[in-house]
Amino acid sequence: DAGVIQSPRHEVTEMGQEVTLRCKPISGHNSLFWYRQTMMRGLELLIYFNNNVPIDDSGMPEDRFSAKMPNASFSTLKIQPSEPRDSAVYFCASSPRQDSNQPQHFGDGTRLSIL
Amino acid sequence: SQKIEQNSEALNIQEGKTATLTCNYTNYSPAYLQWYRQDPGRGPVFLLLIRENEKEKRKERLKVTFDTTLKQSLFHITASQPADSATYLCALNTGGFKTIFGAGTRLFVKA
Repeated sequence: DAGVIQSPRHEVTEMGQEVTLRCKPISGHNSLFWYRQTMMRGLELLIYFNNNVPIDDSGMPEDRFSAKMPNASFSTLKIQPSEPRDSAVYFCASSPRQDSNQPQHFGDGTRLSIL
Repeated sequence: SQKIEQNSEALNIQEGKTATLTCNYTNYSPAYLQWYRQDPGRGPVFLLLIRENEKEKRKERLKVTFDTTLKQSLFHITASQPADSATYLCALNTGGFKTIFGAGTRLFVKA
């Protein structure tokens, strides 16, 4: 079975540019999560969706970040304009349902570098 | 707010020994606590979940304990192997449907 698929795996761009990260969750999973991981702050939850609806976006750092889930099989995280401090590894994860006892299945992340 | 503390120093052990990793949390006891493994360049992979009314959970060479009095979970790998070398993350729910993760502890198993 295919796991969570993220693209691109690596992204290097100059500050001020728009960055779009993509995620395909596991088929049949109802919940989708976006995380950011850095050495300093560890793994931080940015936003999560249930049945394609954003439930909690309190972790989104600022208005430059936005996330969408137009259908059950696709989500995007967009940063516009990007800044060097946005450099991190961004993970997408999905779980079968909106329940804190459900394990989350992670993709292999997008390593983002903003120059 | 709820915080998770994991030993930031790497744990180095000899092959065949038991590795014990610690996860402490600061506030209320979560209903569930999870452990994940993360390899370099990869996303975290779920290993075990333990509920607050469970003292211990086992899966093959892995064992997790949950002490709500101490606000602590211990993660054990018995008969450790070099392939067990990775970063291990503790995660717990904060109420509602949010899960927070610890910073992780790096484990090195020497042959």
